[in-house]
Amino acid sequence: DTAVSQTPKYLVTQMGNDKSIKCEQNLGHDTMYWYKQDSKKFLKIMFSYNNKELIINETVPNRFSPKSPDKAHLNLHINSLELGDSAVYFCASSQFSSETQYFGPGTRLLVL
Amino acid sequence: AQSVSQHNHHVILSEAASLELGCNYSYGGTVNLFWYVQYPGQHLQLLLKYFSGDPLVKGIKGFEAEFIKSKFSFNLRKPSVQWSDTAEYFCAVNSRTGNQFYFGTGTSLTVIP
Repeated sequence: DTAVSQTPKYLVTQMGNDKSIKCEQNLGHDTMYWYKQDSKKFLKIMFSYNNKELIINETVPNRFSPKSPDKAHLNLHINSLELGDSAVYFCASSQFSSETQYFGPGTRLLVL
Repeated sequence: AQSVSQHNHHVILSEAASLELGCNYSYGGTVNLFWYVQYPGQHLQLLLKYFSGDPLVKGIKGFEAEFIKSKFSFNLRKPSVQWSDTAEYFCAVNSRTGNQFYFGTGTSLTVIP
């Protein structure tokens, strides 16, 4: 069973479109995260959610918005996609926000 | 500002060579320390972690890391690398209060058979 899953695995879209990436964890963790990994493999945290409250919000454009319908899900919505949004987006979860994070397989986003 | 530095950006080794990847962090409080590995085309996986206790921690696949508090370092080591160790390695630091989690910029390791 996959602990942290993301859909879709690949996403190719045009500039200006709105898209969503879904993340689900079946570990019973209370904190979930979104990371962006650029072409140089640099990993940057975007958001984290703990009990439906946003506790970290790094300086990302407000075109990106996390949505958590319940503790097991943290979806990432992106409006008006830009070329620079092309990257791999990883979802992760942890039992507490200071504990080990478990990562999903990543979503490879390509904006044309 | 808190940060994590990985000084080796690209490392190329022959099989059986010894490995040491540097990681330094800047944070004044008590921290948890991690090394993650990302094999080509895959997601990040935990190699090892230090929360407290013995500063020399052993992880999977023969990796180990030593926490030296006075040097703010958590270097990763392996006595004899294999071709299958080719991957990106990320050091990460998390404050005990849990609200801050930082990854280093990663080290790309290539092991030549």
